[in-house]
Amino acid sequence: AQTVTQSQPEMSVQEAETVTLSCTYDTSENNYYLFWYKQPPSRQMILVIRQEAYKQQNATENRFSVNFQKAAKSFSLKISDSQLGDTAMYFCAFMGTSYDKVIFGPGTSLSVIP
Amino acid sequence: DVKVTQSSRYLVKRTGEKVFLECVQDMDHENMFWYRQDPGLGLRLIYFSYDVKMKEKGDIPEGYSVSREKKERFSLILESASTNQTSMYLCASSLQGARNSPLHFGNGTRLTVT
Repeated sequence: AQTVTQSQPEMSVQEAETVTLSCTYDTSENNYYLFWYKQPPSRQMILVIRQEAYKQQNATENRFSVNFQKAAKSFSLKISDSQLGDTAMYFCAFMGTSYDKVIFGPGTSLSVIP
Repeated sequence: DVKVTQSSRYLVKRTGEKVFLECVQDMDHENMFWYRQDPGLGLRLIYFSYDVKMKEKGDIPEGYSVSREKKERFSLILESASTNQTSMYLCASSLQGARNSPLHFGNGTRLTVT
């Protein structure tokens, strides 16, 4: 069974600084997708960024980028120029080949400090 | 934009009551999911459905059942609510077969069982 681990329950960063959130996963599959979701205090979960395992190039979305290390099964999220609106829970997620089912990690609570 | 609507934002129920959590999506998505969110545990999949009248157990189905009579609606049922089912419940939907299609979430229902 696939598992997703986030080893940092809480993190904080100064506004305008850069922060990296860690994620590792375990799977025997070769083709899969990885995601980072954000859940602000208002609660609605939204997608931040996605990565396809067969693509070696790391995904980027504006201030958000990932460091995908397939051999190490690592998928970290880097947030550059942190903004107050980045304060949220961040969940790493894995989707394999089973009915589009998505497995989530335990989450990292990020606080951006003014 | 996809809209996923959960009928209640907050619910308070008594032990032993039968509880219905309703979810409706408006984008003709085939896949629908019910997750439970608890601090430190992230999101855990309860049940999912990939078609009308079809359902699959997730990781923690015990104590829950689901119903999908129409494509747009997916209901979660607690047959006899217990205090350990106090939690945040999140409904989500996605396109089937679009492997990089993200989950679209509702705002969540905070259920308290007393």
